[in-house]
Amino acid sequence: SQQGEEDPQALSIQEGENATMNCSYKTSINNLQWYRQNSGRGLVHLILIRSNEREKHSGRLRVTLDTSKKSSSLLITASRAADTASYFCATYNYAGGTSYGKLTFGQGTILTVHP
Amino acid sequence: DGGITQSPKYLFRKEGQNVTLSCEQNLNHDAMYWYRQDPGQGLRLIYYSQIVNDFQKGDIAEGYSVSREKKESFPLTVTSAQKNPTAFYLCASSALLNTEAFFGQGTRLTVV
Repeated sequence: SQQGEEDPQALSIQEGENATMNCSYKTSINNLQWYRQNSGRGLVHLILIRSNEREKHSGRLRVTLDTSKKSSSLLITASRAADTASYFCATYNYAGGTSYGKLTFGQGTILTVHP
Repeated sequence: DGGITQSPKYLFRKEGQNVTLSCEQNLNHDAMYWYRQDPGQGLRLIYYSQIVNDFQKGDIAEGYSVSREKKESFPLTVTSAQKNPTAFYLCASSALLNTEAFFGQGTRLTVV
């Protein structure tokens, strides 16, 4: 089952513009992570935000988390052609006790930045 | 040079054959995962392991098997029971289950 759903599925912008991608999820989470994937390659971790955090920054990346709405957004400011990639949100769910938590990914947003 | 290595990069399998995909990490991570990615799709969890000699089924475990005999290694066997095995397979590891995951470069499996 897919926990996260990204929106939009595809985003096309010009260099220098900001890119915003959204992620919605269904069940309670312990943390939410964003990853980037260049075509045909493995994923690279970008940022992790815990369920008790509301906003986090890393360089040109800004992530927000609204647990009441079960949603998160990733903002890339001043985008570059090199930012062209697929971006995925992933949620970590852990119910506690003897159960194991797991990291579940969404469908992803394909970002294209035109020079 | 620390990292996670998947091999082979490309793999061709005849129908009815079992194949094993290798995943090795030297990051001293406890947790390891296998995901499947189909074209234009997200990642779906096949199996994951928190510690040696223990692993859990993910969302699409049918037709797959794993072992975790060593901390560094988490091989995935795609059995003949997997009806549609052609896909891109990604292995990952993390220090703990709730920390950032590091991914290998993937194995592209094609059934011929």
